[in-house]
Amino acid sequence: SAVISQKPSRDICQRGTSLTIQCQVDSQVTMMFWYRQQPGQSLTLIATANQGSEATYESGFVIDKFPISRPNLTFSTLTVSNMSPEDSSIYLCSVRLLFTGTSKGVYEQYFGPGTRLTVT
Amino acid sequence: QKEVEQNSGPLSVPEGAIASLNCTYSDRGSQSFFWYRQYSGKSPELIMSIYSNGDKEDGRFTAQLNKASQYVSLLIRDSQPSDSATYLCAVRSNDYKLSFGAGTTVTVRA
Repeated sequence: SAVISQKPSRDICQRGTSLTIQCQVDSQVTMMFWYRQQPGQSLTLIATANQGSEATYESGFVIDKFPISRPNLTFSTLTVSNMSPEDSSIYLCSVRLLFTGTSKGVYEQYFGPGTRLTVT
Repeated sequence: QKEVEQNSGPLSVPEGAIASLNCTYSDRGSQSFFWYRQYSGKSPELIMSIYSNGDKEDGRFTAQLNKASQYVSLLIRDSQPSDSATYLCAVRSNDYKLSFGAGTTVTVRA
């Protein structure tokens, strides 16, 4: 696995402001993902962040609202822009790693600790 | 749309019993299957992965995969109070994305 850290761990923000969440990995990874988990719900993929190219957004998520940067193979940021109370959620960074066990050539995905965002 | 469905919870089992969690998926081209455990207020933790039909055992956990039936399950033997959590089934198809089920909340009664 990998050590994944996120900053901040939690924040309370006012409506209309923006928050940038940072994700740092202790090894180089080609693919990083950003998820949202709303209260009592499962995980929803926001976008895939690839180093050297623009992020790929899932249906219902747009770059103006959730701009993503991926300056290198160990770091990414997600910004939640012009926030509203509906953006209150846990935001999770995730990385895909090549599995080094007996099943060769397969990838496993690991999650950071998450950022709990409350918008008032 | 790739769908992953889990048996509805919550599931309550006595300590020492077997907890059985089920998951079905819609995309027949799915290749990789995962179980994540998520404690309240924490992020998902990968506990099992399975790629071929049959059983895979890791400690008290056994994952079972039947691609013909599009079914994957997780058995937790000798359930402990520390196993109380939400268990998420995740499926990867031919692309790189994971599709997650809604999760099943397990409570182990001491």
